[in-house]
Amino acid sequence: EDQVTQSPEALRLQEGESSSLNCSYTVSGLRGLFWYRQDPGKGPEFLFTLYSAGEEKEKERLKATLTKKESFLHITAPKPEDSATYLCAVSHAGSARQLTFGSGTQLTVLP
Amino acid sequence: GAVVSQHPSWVICKSGTSVKIECRSLDFQATTMFWYRQFPKQSLMLMATSNEGSKATYEQGVEKDKFLINHASLTLSTLTVTSAHPEDSSFYICSAAPGQGHTGDTQYFGPGTRLTVL
Repeated sequence: EDQVTQSPEALRLQEGESSSLNCSYTVSGLRGLFWYRQDPGKGPEFLFTLYSAGEEKEKERLKATLTKKESFLHITAPKPEDSATYLCAVSHAGSARQLTFGSGTQLTVLP
Repeated sequence: GAVVSQHPSWVICKSGTSVKIECRSLDFQATTMFWYRQFPKQSLMLMATSNEGSKATYEQGVEKDKFLINHASLTLSTLTVTSAHPEDSSFYICSAAPGQGHTGDTQYFGPGTRLTVL
């Protein structure tokens, strides 16, 4: 059974203070690892898809990396508007494209 | 690109009535659509998976006669909550996957529908 564990559960940063969010996963036959951002009362917003160990993707202040056991979402010089819950999810071969989600990391960036 | 809409964004109804929620992929064709439910401070809970033109597959514990799903076209899926009760009050979110090759696993989410049953 797929398992996705995100840490920390909550993270408070000062504006400009860089940090990383962790997503550890156990899955047989990883097809993809996905990062989403969710604001309160809204649906998740797609950020990245990673497919194989060693892959990296960047978007503005965010950079996602992938190893065989975990993924990191690095946030460089965050701004208050980066405050949100960040969700990690995986899909595996034979999952009919279903995603298994972690419980999320609630990020608060203080001005 | 990859925009998914949901309608309505919120709905209040009386106990015993039925409510229909629409999910549309606006700029791509979605082979597969998914319906999730989310409670406050919790992650998304998959309710069902639907493929265009076929019956939906429901997750364990989800009543298929209560949550009717129709995926009539490659851009539209509907969720009907029948005989709604207060315990059905929740945030319902749909997603759509393009379904082409490896990148087809990426799901794009709608903005969600807040259902309140009085």
